[in-house]
Amino acid sequence: DTAVSQTPKYLVTQMGNDKSIKCEQNLGHDTMYWYKQDSKKFLKIMFSYNNKELIINETVPNRFSPKSPDKAHLNLHINSLELGDSAVYFCASSPGLAGGGEQFFGPGTRLTVL
Amino acid sequence: KQEVTQIPAALSVPEGENLVLNCSFTDSAIYNLQWFRQDPGKGLTSLLLIQSSQREQTSGRLNASLDKSSGRSTLYIAASQPGDSATYLCAVSGPTGGYQKVTFGTGTKLQVIP
Repeated sequence: DTAVSQTPKYLVTQMGNDKSIKCEQNLGHDTMYWYKQDSKKFLKIMFSYNNKELIINETVPNRFSPKSPDKAHLNLHINSLELGDSAVYFCASSPGLAGGGEQFFGPGTRLTVL
Repeated sequence: KQEVTQIPAALSVPEGENLVLNCSFTDSAIYNLQWFRQDPGKGLTSLLLIQSSQREQTSGRLNASLDKSSGRSTLYIAASQPGDSATYLCAVSGPTGGYQKVTFGTGTKLQVIP
């Protein structure tokens, strides 16, 4: 059973397009996250949601809009894609509202903007 | 603002050696510290989670220690094997606005030579 799943695994698209990445967790966790891993392999948090509510937004351009229809899903929609958006995007989840929660990661979505 | 640094950035050792990876963080007000492994083109696999009240955790050939007051953690790998080759990331979880925010280190790329 996959704990945290993401689709698609690979996404290749043209600059200016709009695309979405989906994430689902079956761990019953309350908190979900989106991370971006750049070409230098540095992982940085983008968003954090707790029970469908946005709690962290790390100065990400407003072209990125997360949506959480329920606490098991956190999707990421990106408008007007730019070359600099090319990266691997990871979804993660943890049980805790605050403190102590172990994070579980999805397999990542490699986005390439041409 | 939490900053997490890992030294060395890359490490190459012969099979069978014991080795230590280092992680340092600037803000000691943390919930926990988690060590991950990332294989090329893959997601993150959680190795060990140390809560802020703990000093160390062990799993098989891995031992992680935490010295919160000095802002340091080490990951000790005993009797290294070629299959241990990967990038190792430490991630520090701390409070932000009453919720958990995770900051990743820059990673140590390990190569174990047969």
